[in-house]
Amino acid sequence: AQRVTQPEKLLSVFKGAPVELKCNYSYSGSPELFWYVQYSRQRLQLLLRHISRESIKGFTADLNKGETSFHLKKPFAQEEDSAMYYCALSGGGYNKLIFGAGTRLAVHP
Amino acid sequence: EAQVTQNPRYLITVTGKKLTVTCSQNMNHEYMSWYRQDPGLGLRQIYYSMNVEVTDKGDVPEGYKVSRKEKRNFPLILESPSPNQTSLYFCASSLSGTGYEKLFFGSGTQLSVL
Repeated sequence: AQRVTQPEKLLSVFKGAPVELKCNYSYSGSPELFWYVQYSRQRLQLLLRHISRESIKGFTADLNKGETSFHLKKPFAQEEDSAMYYCALSGGGYNKLIFGAGTRLAVHP
Repeated sequence: EAQVTQNPRYLITVTGKKLTVTCSQNMNHEYMSWYRQDPGLGLRQIYYSMNVEVTDKGDVPEGYKVSRKEKRNFPLILESPSPNQTSLYFCASSLSGTGYEKLFFGSGTQLSVL
């Protein structure tokens, strides 16, 4: 069955520290993977997607098919990075987009 | 401004009283979808639509109906709401539903069923 697992409900770091938000998936075919972010009182919005191999706001994520992971990383966390982060998987387009339970990132000064 | 608009933002109702949550987008998007967000479960897809008059079930469609009579609107209908449908609901849209496009989300509707 398709599944996205985000093992941490809360990740708490200090400003300037490296951040890694974990995401593991289960999917039998070739998945499309995304990271979405929800800042306080704002809508859910796309942060990045693996097909674009982009870096947004200093965040990167690499698809590791061997480990079935798509961890989100940033070398130096900023206070404005504090938000709820969701990893999501699709088997092709958004027809069946499956989200993980989310990880709350708290960056302290 | 290009956006997805949901109404109402907050809704309290009682078991069995039919309700509709509206969703409208002004971007001429073909793809629209509904999700519910519950603590510890993340977002789960309820229904989606690839175009006018084309709808399909997501992962948790039981107890919900949708319709897509016009491109811009995708209402979510709860014919007989129950307390287990108390949740935060999000509508989303994209141009054609491929993973290469951005998925735009509404601001959410917090529903409480008593």
